Amino acid sequence: QSVLTQPPSASGTPGQRVTISCSGSSSNIGSNYVYWYQQLPGTAPKLLIYRNNQRPSGVPDRFSGSKSGTSASLAISGLRSEDEADYYCAAWDDSLSGAVFGGGTQVTVL
Amino acid sequence: EVQLVESGGGLVKPGGSLRLSCAASGFTFSNAWMSWVRQAPGKGLEWVGRIKSKPDGGTTAYAAPVKGRFTISRDDSKNTLYLQMNSLKTEDTAVYYCTAGNPVAVYWGQGTLVTVSS
Repeated sequence: QSVLTQPPSASGTPGQRVTISCSGSSSNIGSNYVYWYQQLPGTAPKLLIYRNNQRPSGVPDRFSGSKSGTSASLAISGLRSEDEADYYCAAWDDSLSGAVFGGGTQVTVL
Repeated sequence: EVQLVESGGGLVKPGGSLRLSCAASGFTFSNAWMSWVRQAPGKGLEWVGRIKSKPDGGTTAYAAPVKGRFTISRDDSKNTLYLQMNSLKTEDTAVYYCTAGNPVAVYWGQGTLVTVSS
């Protein structure tokens, strides 16, 4: 049981917009930044969004992050086949004094 | 270019020990907070623990499942992070990733597989 809650799966057709939610609590998302990672099959995770809504250089602007209260979301617009991957949210948790992750969302491009 | 290269994974029996290393380059290692994150086969990501930079105190923190069994250390002269794993259990079987970032992972290594089995 992950501390942050994500839907296990999401899907869309090419060109569509897909949104992934991440729900936490006041000790993690409510008081700290949210990070998002993309993990392509058989590879290490890669940072997609940091500090709630910032994109590292090289990450397409099709990916965007937002946060409100104790929840966050990742949106993928103009969905492409290469976006098929697992997506994880993460945040620092002040109560646990550790980082916490969501259980991951598998995105499928139909 | 930031590079994190893990090594030391392998097969170990329950109750055994293993030490993982992570060689870092492309950034100022001595100023970085470093962490280990693991991923059991077919499962999600799990934070293992972190060590702050020495200027920030150099303290460690661990996830509950590994506290008292795992120890994170660093050698800033060698730009290397370590994870000493003792009293290993079958549930510790996972790919272990070395990460850099404050306080949550920004850069990731490619991972090293640890298999705990008799």
